[in-house]
This record gives sequence, C-alpha cells and structure tokens, in this order.
Amino acid sequence: KAGVTQTPRYLIKTRGQQVTLSCSPISGHRSVSWYQQTPGQGLQFLFEYFSETQRNKGNFPGRFSGRQFSNSRSEMNVSTLELGDSALYLCASSLETTKWRGRMNTEAFFGQGTRLTVV
Amino acid sequence: DQQVKQNSPSLSVQEGRISILNCDYTNSMFDYFLWYKKYPAEGPTFLISISSIKDKNEDGRFTVFLNKSAKHLSLHIVPSQPGDSAVYFCAANFYDKVIFGPGTSLSVIP
Repeated sequence: KAGVTQTPRYLIKTRGQQVTLSCSPISGHRSVSWYQQTPGQGLQFLFEYFSETQRNKGNFPGRFSGRQFSNSRSEMNVSTLELGDSALYLCASSLETTKWRGRMNTEAFFGQGTRLTVV
Repeated sequence: DQQVKQNSPSLSVQEGRISILNCDYTNSMFDYFLWYKKYPAEGPTFLISISSIKDKNEDGRFTVFLNKSAKHLSLHIVPSQPGDSAVYFCAANFYDKVIFGPGTSLSVIP
C-alpha cells in the first residue's frame, strides 16, 4: 500500500513568487491536512480538507490556500512568498472512521514533506 | 497561545536508561492524545496514543501516562536505544482538531 506522497521534495523560490505543493494521500483516505514545520515552532496546522471541502483552518494569512480534488489529492498554494515561509511543509492523510464514542480515528500518516526555501 | 506545550526542546539520555518526554496542554476539551516520532528528512510517524478515559497505555518499550487533573502527559521509553534518537511530537485531539506541540529532540547516547 503506497504511503502519502508529496511533490516536489525540494523547492527554491524567490520572494514574491508563488508556489504550489502537491499531496497524494493513502488510497481510501479522504482527510488531508497540511502543516508547516519550522525549528522551534513544531508542526503548525495550516488547514484540513475532507471530501473536497476545507473543514478546518489554522492561523495563517490568506496567502496560504489549498484545495482538494475528487480523488482526494490535495494542493497547497502560497502566493507572494516571504523569506519567513521557508519551512518543511508536511501533508498528512487519515482514514476517517466512526469509532470510540463516535469520534473519528485521528491517527494521521505523514508524507516526507516538501522543503521550501525562499531566497 | 500554545495549547500544547513541550517545554524541553531537547533531551539527552544514556543508552539503556529511561527517556521521559513531557507534554502539557491547556484545553480541557482535549480527549485523545498522540505521540509522533520524526527522523530528519522523514515525515512524522505515529507512535502511541491514549484516550482520556485511561491514565496509561503501553506498547512495548513505550508507555504514555496521562494526568488529566494536571493536564499533563508523558512518554516513557525504556530502555532507550540509539535508534530512538528523533524529534518527538505530542498531539492533542478534540473532536476533529489535532494540535501538535513544538517537539522535543531526543538524543540517546551509546
């Protein structure tokens, strides 16, 4: 069973440009979440998509956006890049099941991430 | 305001000894907690979890303890092995939200 695939693995962009990152979740997983990892900040939640709809959103500016397609693949876009956007961007997929008091299974499977460097 | 805190950015432990990683949370609505391990150049991988109806969950060398009144959980690794050297993230779940802590970098010294 293939894992979560993120492309590209590495990316270098200049300030002011825009970038699109891609994430293919595990087959059958409908929930895709995006995280930004920077030293000292840990994993900062960006947003989550479920069945093509954004279900949750973190505290990031509107320059960060995403979408999910009918096959559950997701893309994340960052416009007008800033130096501070340099980070590892991780995508996680999860299989949503109703279990244990009707709550969702929250175990997430992460991709290897896309290392974005803004110069 | 960080809802999930891991106040130790790093920890060094001798091989064979116990590693204790701590995590504190502020939101009493969290009712499910997870630990993830992350090696460099890899995505985090799920390690162990605990629901709020329990105070302990064990899986091999890994045990997670939950103290709800203190809003504190800890991950114990016994015995620690060099391969355990990684960044450990604590995560707390409430309904459909998962909040991660900043991580603790564990180094196990041979």
